[in-house]
Amino acid sequence: NAGVTQTPKFQVLKTGQSMTLQCAQDMNHNSMYWYRQDPGMGLRLIYYSASEGTTDKGEVPNGYNVSRLNKREFSLRLESAAPSQTSVYFCAISEAVPNYGYTFGSGTRLTVV
Amino acid sequence: KNQVEQSPQSLIILEGKNCTLQCNYTVSPFSNLRWYKQDTGRGPVSLTIMTFSENTKSNGRYTATLDADTKQSSLHITASQLSDSASYICVKTRGAGSYQLTFGKGTKLSVIP
Repeated sequence: NAGVTQTPKFQVLKTGQSMTLQCAQDMNHNSMYWYRQDPGMGLRLIYYSASEGTTDKGEVPNGYNVSRLNKREFSLRLESAAPSQTSVYFCAISEAVPNYGYTFGSGTRLTVV
Repeated sequence: KNQVEQSPQSLIILEGKNCTLQCNYTVSPFSNLRWYKQDTGRGPVSLTIMTFSENTKSNGRYTATLDADTKQSSLHITASQLSDSASYICVKTRGAGSYQLTFGKGTKLSVIP
């Protein structure tokens, strides 16, 4: 999706391994988010960053950490991956005021075996 | 319990026909209600955003309606095209200024020739 780039697109991890999902935007938006999408469930918020220098927990933060490296980049780290973290991860951005629309990246499909 | 319920779960229609997707939400306060389209393997794309005071909003062949009294919204698709095949997700903002969205599970629409 235009404006939000996620890497990698696919990843397979073994239980206990660590990895970082990267998200970068070129739309100069203040707020960035990490969501996960599981079959039969709506997207759920993991962490968000309302502005550069701030991060907050969402609905399902356990097992994850985030870093807002600068205004453009927001990374999601799994320190010790578990099979329950198998999911599709989406990064999203929005203007500072959350009533504006969100722009989503194309997702990272993660499988933990 | 998910606070945003969508129906039907899936729908198959013939190309050129109209269809209406339903969304019921159960939690107040209310800030805005959104509809997203998600193609397979892609991130969601915003179709409409409606605030409390709006009861209809259009985006091309997509028209969303909102009844805040009954806490219901619908998405009407006119003259469907094969490219309309996707999941359609209803999303509610949890409150004014909230960064947390509640996503429905989506309706999977298939348009067949």
